[in-house]
Amino acid sequence: ETGVTQTPRHLVMGMTNKKSLKCEQHLGHNAMYWYKQSAKKPLELMFVYSLEERVENNSVPSRFSPECPNSSHLFLHLHTLQPEDSALYLCASSRTGNYGYTFGSGTRLTVV
Amino acid sequence: TQLLEQSPQFLSIQEGENLTVYCNSSSVFSSLQWYRQEPGEGPVLLVTVVTGGEVKKLKRLTFQFGDARKDSSLHITAAQPGDTGLYLCAVYRSGGYQKVTFGTGTKLQVIP
Repeated sequence: ETGVTQTPRHLVMGMTNKKSLKCEQHLGHNAMYWYKQSAKKPLELMFVYSLEERVENNSVPSRFSPECPNSSHLFLHLHTLQPEDSALYLCASSRTGNYGYTFGSGTRLTVV
Repeated sequence: TQLLEQSPQFLSIQEGENLTVYCNSSSVFSSLQWYRQEPGEGPVLLVTVVTGGEVKKLKRLTFQFGDARKDSSLHITAAQPGDTGLYLCAVYRSGGYQKVTFGTGTKLQVIP
């Protein structure tokens, strides 16, 4: 399978639940990213992993916990979220150099 | 203030019309990218421009990078319903990995 695959596509969770978002790429890219896309806001960078090492954490609340077990997989673990965390969560990957990102289709998260 | 301001925010036009959307900043960039995001999907890279004054064409889409490398425009000729989506400009921020900051976006609707 080519491209970046995100699962699940849709997720509804209560504020006391724990869930995980999954991202997978087999493009040979060496960096992976989590972005949050909310209505009327630009895409917000959350986390960056380069060569499986977290290199950026943009002041994201601790209720979001990323994990990158290898260069092809990225997870975002969620716990005790708030309704304002409802958004589209996008995973992307890239290779060294200015070649742009390849994005997944996103997970539409609703916190109730 | 946003690093990249896009205008207009929303645009609704009839099929066959021409349109131009803009991406502006007060900063100088080494390169700039344009993405299109269709409803329910992640953004897809359309083009990267790297030289001041550069013009690139992708079928009916014409991209231009400003001479001072602070701004860019996207012109669509004879718009079609398939052009509907969110158009995002983005810039590469320097670092040991590729970090991209996105603009505020222009939401385009092409009515058949």
